[in-house]
Amino acid sequence: DTGVSQDPRHKITKRGQNVTFRCDPISEHNRLYWYRQTLGQGPEFLTYFQNEAQLEKSRLLSDRFSAERPKGSFSTLEIQRTEQGDSAMYLCASGATNTEAFFGQGTRLTVV
Amino acid sequence: GDSVTQMEGPVTLSEEAFLTINCTYTATGYPSLFWYVQYPGEGLQLLLKATKADDKGSNKGFEATYRKETTSFHLEKGSVQVSDSAVYFCALTPFSGGYNKLIFGAGTRLAVHP
Repeated sequence: DTGVSQDPRHKITKRGQNVTFRCDPISEHNRLYWYRQTLGQGPEFLTYFQNEAQLEKSRLLSDRFSAERPKGSFSTLEIQRTEQGDSAMYLCASGATNTEAFFGQGTRLTVV
Repeated sequence: GDSVTQMEGPVTLSEEAFLTINCTYTATGYPSLFWYVQYPGEGLQLLLKATKADDKGSNKGFEATYRKETTSFHLEKGSVQVSDSAVYFCALTPFSGGYNKLIFGAGTRLAVHP
């Protein structure tokens, strides 16, 4: 297993368009997290899945954001009607009980 | 709510200098504490961790001690190398009784010159 994989690595989109990111966690990990990181800041928690259940959503996750993890494997994060303020690095991490979180390299979103 | 505060960067050092990056936290209960490192062009990597008071985490010559009395988890290294140049993030996992959501500080950029 090569670790947490995120796709795409970079995405440029026009304001108002929808975008979807994918995260493939480490295969034996049942926990999956999404974070957002803006320039000069630390990552901020967005949402958490245990298996296929979404157990927590941050207030940062507006109604335009939706995340899924069908079958408890890969996860997708969709942003509808993108805004310039959505420009950031979106990080995915996975973990298991009593292990730390392992991060992917992130998807950098630029909204123009 | 729970939060992490770390010293602002950038921190610029010469090779073989001593490094300290300060980190303090605010949390209810008994959080676990972490240092993550982000090298240029790479994802976040766990550097070290400590899960209870007075624990010392260590890795690659870096150390940090969980000080409950001062709510601190300062990162230290006795002799830095150019290859240590990166952004360092202090983080905590709240005692939530369940999963390990991380709360990060803003990060401290370290630049080491030959």
